[in-house]
This record gives sequence, C-alpha cells and structure tokens, in this order.
Amino acid sequence: KAGVTQTPRYLIKTRGQQVTLSCSPISGHRSVSWYQQTPGQGLQFLFEYFSETQRNKGNFPGRFSGRQFSNSRSEMNVSTLELGDSALYLCASSLETGKLPEGANVLTFGAGSRLTVL
Amino acid sequence: DAKTTQPPSMDCAEGRAANLPCNHSTISGNEYVYWYRQIHSQGPQYIIHGLKNNETNEMASLIITEDRKSSTLILPHATLRDTAVYYCIVRHPRAGGTSYGKLTFGQGTILTVHP
Repeated sequence: KAGVTQTPRYLIKTRGQQVTLSCSPISGHRSVSWYQQTPGQGLQFLFEYFSETQRNKGNFPGRFSGRQFSNSRSEMNVSTLELGDSALYLCASSLETGKLPEGANVLTFGAGSRLTVL
Repeated sequence: DAKTTQPPSMDCAEGRAANLPCNHSTISGNEYVYWYRQIHSQGPQYIIHGLKNNETNEMASLIITEDRKSSTLILPHATLRDTAVYYCIVRHPRAGGTSYGKLTFGQGTILTVHP
C-alpha cells in the first residue's frame, strides 16, 4: 500500500513569506504528526492531529499551525518565515484505533519536505 | 517520557553483528522501548519495540536488561544499507490516552557500516 506522501519535497522561500506543506497519511491511518528536523536541534515534535483535532503541540511559536481534514490528510503552515525555519519537515501517520495492541501504533514517516528560507 | 542516552557514533564491518546500546535508567514500569533509524535524507523508519521481553523481527533483535534500565539493538548481519542514525526512544503506552504521535528523539547513534 502507498506510504505517507508529503508535498512538495523541496521548496525555497524568502523571509517574511508563508508556506503550506501537505501530508497524505497511509490509507486508514487517523493520526498525523509533524516534526521539524534541523542540524542543530535534531528531530522536534511540532503537533499531532487526530480526527481533525489537534491533540498535542510541541514548543513552537504560533507562526506554526496545522490542520487535519475529514479524510485525515493534514497541512501545516508556517507564517512570517525566518531563516531559522529552514529545515526538513516530516509527517508521520499511525493507525491508532484504540483497540490494537501497542505494536500496531508505530509511526510511519514520509520522506519530508525540505524548506529553505533565504 | 524517560530520557535515553546513546553513544554518538559506532562502526561495524559489513557482515558482522552491530550492537547498539541505549541507556534508559529512568524508565518507568509501563514505558516501551522503541527503535527507529533514519537513513540520510529520508524519514525515520520503525525497527522494533519491546516492553521487558527480548524481541526479534525480520530487521533486528532487541535485548532489554532485566531491570529495564538499558537495552541493545542487534543487527545480526550488518550491510552497507544499514548505515544510518539509530534512535532509541522510550514512551508511554497507549493506555490512558497518551498521545501516540509524539516521540522524543535524542541525538541517536550514527552507525557506519564499512565494507
């Protein structure tokens, strides 16, 4: 089956612009999480969505936002871009029905969207 | 979630077993140990997880000490394609409504497999 699909894979923006990244989870997966990866900070959790509701949020400024649609697809938006927002943005999905054993709730990551802010 | 400590880097010869240690001395009784790896420029990939028993799957084996304060990921016959950053993560189980999507990644271990 198809994996987690993220678009676009690469993009270049300038400071002050805004960007929207898209994530299509594995079919049937209802939980979508977003991560930012930078050389200095490593992999950091941004937020998680389940059934169109944000369930958890990492320690990022309000410029970072997201949403989830009824088909579980998710988008994240970064407004007023800063140079430090240059990073690999990763999306992950998981099945999570509440009735599965722990092992069924592993995260499957997409290949990421690499954002460069100039 | 409990913190983990891993060596920053390790080397392994191709065809030999790669043993990657992880310390999680503050782990609580219901926290699971997960291993993910990230090959350059790709998203992290799930490898294996366990609670207290040793686990094996087609990718690797996970050995958890009896006191659960440390674990070892074993790649039995490392290949060049196993060169990656390996992350050991401890997290709460599903029960209680804990968010599953939030994983706390450390710096991981850079495993380099040499020909």
